[in-house]
Amino acid sequence: RKEVEQDPGPFNVPEGATVAFNCTYSNSASQSFFWYRQDCRKEPKLLMSVYSSGNEDGRFTAQLNRASQYISLLIRDSKLSDSATYLCVVRNSGNTPLVFGKGTRLSVIA
Amino acid sequence: GAGVSQSPSNKVTEKGKDVELRCDPISGHTALYWYRQSLGQGLEFLIYFQGNSAPDKSGLPSDRFSAERTGGSVSTLTIQRTQQEDSAVYLCASSEWLGEGKLFFGSGTQLSVL
Repeated sequence: RKEVEQDPGPFNVPEGATVAFNCTYSNSASQSFFWYRQDCRKEPKLLMSVYSSGNEDGRFTAQLNRASQYISLLIRDSKLSDSATYLCVVRNSGNTPLVFGKGTRLSVIA
Repeated sequence: GAGVSQSPSNKVTEKGKDVELRCDPISGHTALYWYRQSLGQGLEFLIYFQGNSAPDKSGLPSDRFSAERTGGSVSTLTIQRTQQEDSAVYLCASSEWLGEGKLFFGSGTQLSVL
């Protein structure tokens, strides 16, 4: 089983739609969780951290379910500029490198 | 300020040749990472450096791969006797400290081994 698993998509949604991605991780001792965004042929960039209590940043909401070992990202009121690949990222302990999922591709259509 | 800088942006080489990829991290960042990304694949961790500590080389796929970081700043990833399966985008990232979740990536080196 891969450490971090994501549905590769693509998710094709119209502008204004709400879309949600899930990600599962295999290591129950994982400590930190993040969502990164990667535009086509560009480098990944941090979108947001994921906290145990859930957190929101504008139209983006991240949730963590430790019992089921999954992380979610909800995007409300999708914009064309949200089109990208969303990478689920996990850190297993404080001094280990980030482990990246393969990403979920989102296309927002006008 | 300047971000993470990588060079070259593209490298085409013949199978069996050695290549060197360079990364110049953000000034003051103590942690530096190398990842690679093959077409349609996720980021694969290769190696990281943290300050003056010994690097974590656990992700290097074979002994043909090596990396060094001089003076706690610039890093070079060397691939000896390149193989076609080495073709990928090699991404360097830096962060203020090792446990930091915010990595700043360079734009990568696209390596093509013919």
